[in-house]
Parts: sequence; C-alpha cells; structure tokens
Amino acid sequence: ETGVTQTPRHLVMGMTNKKSLKCEQHLGHNAMYWYKQSAKKPLELMFVYNFKEQTENNSVPSRFSPECPNSSHLFLHLHTLQPEDSALYLCASSPSAGLAGFKLFFGEGSRLTVL
Amino acid sequence: GESVGLHLPTLSVQEGDNSIINCAYSNSASDYFIWYKQESGKGPQFIIDIRSNMDKRQGQRVTVLLNKTVKHLSLQIAATQPGDSAVYFCAETGSSNTGKLIFGQGTTLQVKP
Repeated sequence: ETGVTQTPRHLVMGMTNKKSLKCEQHLGHNAMYWYKQSAKKPLELMFVYNFKEQTENNSVPSRFSPECPNSSHLFLHLHTLQPEDSALYLCASSPSAGLAGFKLFFGEGSRLTVL
Repeated sequence: GESVGLHLPTLSVQEGDNSIINCAYSNSASDYFIWYKQESGKGPQFIIDIRSNMDKRQGQRVTVLLNKTVKHLSLQIAATQPGDSAVYFCAETGSSNTGKLIFGQGTTLQVKP
C-alpha cells in the first residue's frame, strides 16, 4: 500500500501527442515532487512544490509542464516529447520542503515511452 | 559538481548471510543521509537515515554506518532474505538545506536461495 498514487502506470505516446501524468497523495503532506528515473542514471529531481507553490525547477525543458492545484494533487503535462524522455517518472511527497523534505514518500511511478 | 557514488552496481549474497552495501559521497557539507530501497516495479521506499553528528544508527535488521573522515556510508542488512532483493540507493543533502536530495546510482542486491 502506498500513500502516493500515480496514474497511469504505463503510457506510450508519440512525439506530437499531449498527455498528462497524475499524482495524488493521501498523507496530508504539503510538498510534492517530480523525479525522473532513467536506466543507469541517478534519480533526477525535476520540480518541487511546497504548499502549492513551485519552489524548484531543475532546468527542466518546457515540454514538461507541472501543475499543482492543491497540496494533494500534482500533474505533469507532456507535449512534443522526445524519445530520450522515455523513463520512469516518480512522484513523491513529504511533510514540507526544506529540512523536513528529506524523507520522501514515493509513488510507484509512471513508465513513459515516447515513440 | 556534487555526486554520490556506490562502489558496486550489483551485489550477490546467499540467503541468511549479512549484506553490506557501500556508498561514497563527495560533499563534506552534507549533514543528512538516507538509504532507499526500490523493488522491481515499485517506487523507492525509505529504509533508514542518519545525521552527520552520528556514526551509526540501527533499525530492524539494518544498520547504517557513516565515516565522515573518508566520506563513506554503508548499509548493513543482517540475515539477508529473498525479500531484500532490490536496488538500494543512498542519498545526501549536499550543500543546501532546500530539501533537495542527491541520489547515487544504486546497487542491485540479489539474494540467492
């Protein structure tokens, strides 16, 4: 059981498609994160939201657009992606960002394949 | 740049033996370290953490050791079980206190029956 739910679990899209990944956390946390996990590479932080405000954009290309309507939901909107964007996208939450944000609770990820 | 490295990409152990997974970090300013476990098809799961003012911390069947002199972190798993098979990541806080974790590449632990 996980307190962080991601949908869809698998997504295949063409380079011209527009799709979205969704994340929902049931832990009462105030910070949410998007990470990218590629084969043989460390987890890469993409975005951080703290109390619905974006506090970190780790030089992510604009073809990835995050949205955080409230502290429980986080979206990643995808458009005109490249094949090298194929990866596992992980959502995480924590009580808040900053010092309390180190203990992350991850979802199971959305496996994205860009054709 | 800052980096966290693990010494071995894969570690194979016999069921019942103890496992030791190592991690070298580069930033001496890091004051907090975490180990995560990622099973196949799942997201990373918190295992244990340690602050830089400690050199050892024990959990249930797991122990984390921190050697700040050589910037080395290790995770010891006692009596390794098949359910311990997973990828293990160490992470450090780096030089900032913004909640950004720097993750290592991961060590795959394979438990042989």
